[in-house]
Amino acid sequence: NAGVMQNPRHLVRRRGQEARLRCSPMKGHSHVYWYRQLPEEGLKFMVYLQKENIIDESGMPKERFSAEFPKEGPSILRIQQVVRGDSAAYFCASSPLNTGTGVGTEAFFGQGTRLTVV
Amino acid sequence: SQQGEEDPQALSIQEGENATMNCSYKTSINNLQWYRQNSGRGLVHLILIRSNEREKHSGRLRVTLDTSKKSSSLLITASRAADTASYFCASIQGAQKLVFGQGTRLTINP
Repeated sequence: NAGVMQNPRHLVRRRGQEARLRCSPMKGHSHVYWYRQLPEEGLKFMVYLQKENIIDESGMPKERFSAEFPKEGPSILRIQQVVRGDSAAYFCASSPLNTGTGVGTEAFFGQGTRLTVV
Repeated sequence: SQQGEEDPQALSIQEGENATMNCSYKTSINNLQWYRQNSGRGLVHLILIRSNEREKHSGRLRVTLDTSKKSSSLLITASRAADTASYFCASIQGAQKLVFGQGTRLTINP
């Protein structure tokens, strides 16, 4: 099991461009979480998805940000018209079940995508 | 707002000493989890304690949970330089989302 794979590891975009971050969950995992982390800070929840469904997007900015987790393929976090304030590390995590339901439902994290907007 | 609040924000100790980090949370939980993050890397799950458990051990880790005070602690015994990392507690907010605190940055000095 290759673990949670995120790509690219590093992404540089100019202001106004689009950033597309990919996350392939662990095999058999149907729950995906996206988080944003600024240097020296904790992880801020963005969105929780199951296959083909957005379950909780309360942490997503209302504009420019969107996420999907299609039936086939990786989960995508898309940021349109990026601004310098979008520069951060974006982490994806997956779990086989809703991670609040008990033992064995911990979340497994990818190595993150570091987005730099210049 | 983040569910968990860790303290201290930063902790620096000598190798071999014990390190204790605390976490407080606001809403009722099914379980509370601790994660570790090495600089520039993703988070690694360390231990999960259920709401009906008071203490749990895993190797040099000991986690306690006090649901009446809505707090948890992580103790790392006989610390090693390799334990240098940030440590986060996490719990479920609402029905679905796993929410993290700001973390404790632990430095083990050789």
